[in-house]
Amino acid sequence: KAGVTQTPRYLIKTRGQQVTLSCSPISGHRSVSWYQQTPGQGLQFLFEYFSETQRNKGNFPGRFSGRQFSNSRSEMNVSTLELGDSALYLCASSLEASGGHYSYEQYFGPGTRLTVT
Amino acid sequence: AQSVTQLDSHVSVSEGTPVLLRCNYSSSYSPSLFWYVQHPNKGLQLLLKYTSAATLVKGINGFEAEFKKSETSFHLTKPSAHMSDAAEYFCVVSDRNQGGKLIFGQGTELSVKP
Repeated sequence: KAGVTQTPRYLIKTRGQQVTLSCSPISGHRSVSWYQQTPGQGLQFLFEYFSETQRNKGNFPGRFSGRQFSNSRSEMNVSTLELGDSALYLCASSLEASGGHYSYEQYFGPGTRLTVT
Repeated sequence: AQSVTQLDSHVSVSEGTPVLLRCNYSSSYSPSLFWYVQHPNKGLQLLLKYTSAATLVKGINGFEAEFKKSETSFHLTKPSAHMSDAAEYFCVVSDRNQGGKLIFGQGTELSVKP
């Protein structure tokens, strides 16, 4: 099975611009989560999508948003970029069994390295 | 609230010697715990997981971890370090109240000397 893929792998943007990152989960996985990794703050949870609905959200401003499509692929968008948004953005997918029993283990993609200048 | 604390930000060992990476957790109920590894410029790879079955969990690449409820610990060990083990290791707890949201420790950088 193919792993989680993320595109693009590297991105350079200017302050004030917006950016969209894409994530394709492992086939059959319906839950997609996004994390931000920075040297200062470590790994922080952004949000999780399941069946096209945002199920959980971390403590990030409204400039950070996401969505999930019917094929479970997900995108995240950051508007009005700030220098502090420079980070590695990681996407993870998880298999959720029927009946709402969470698998919990998440499989990560290689990340998108965003640099804001 | 759930949290994890990795007790060492950096650990250095010689090749062929044992590895011990320490992790304490805080949870109001029985947690799901994980160790992930991140090699430079790579994503995170799952090493092993604990989900209330056996307390001694075996993972990939010879790593294992023991869940000790009385000590609220989940330390990662390996009998003999390889150069390829040099990486950042994260202890992680899953928040079952939030659909499996992962809460990460700050990470331990493992260096392996020849």
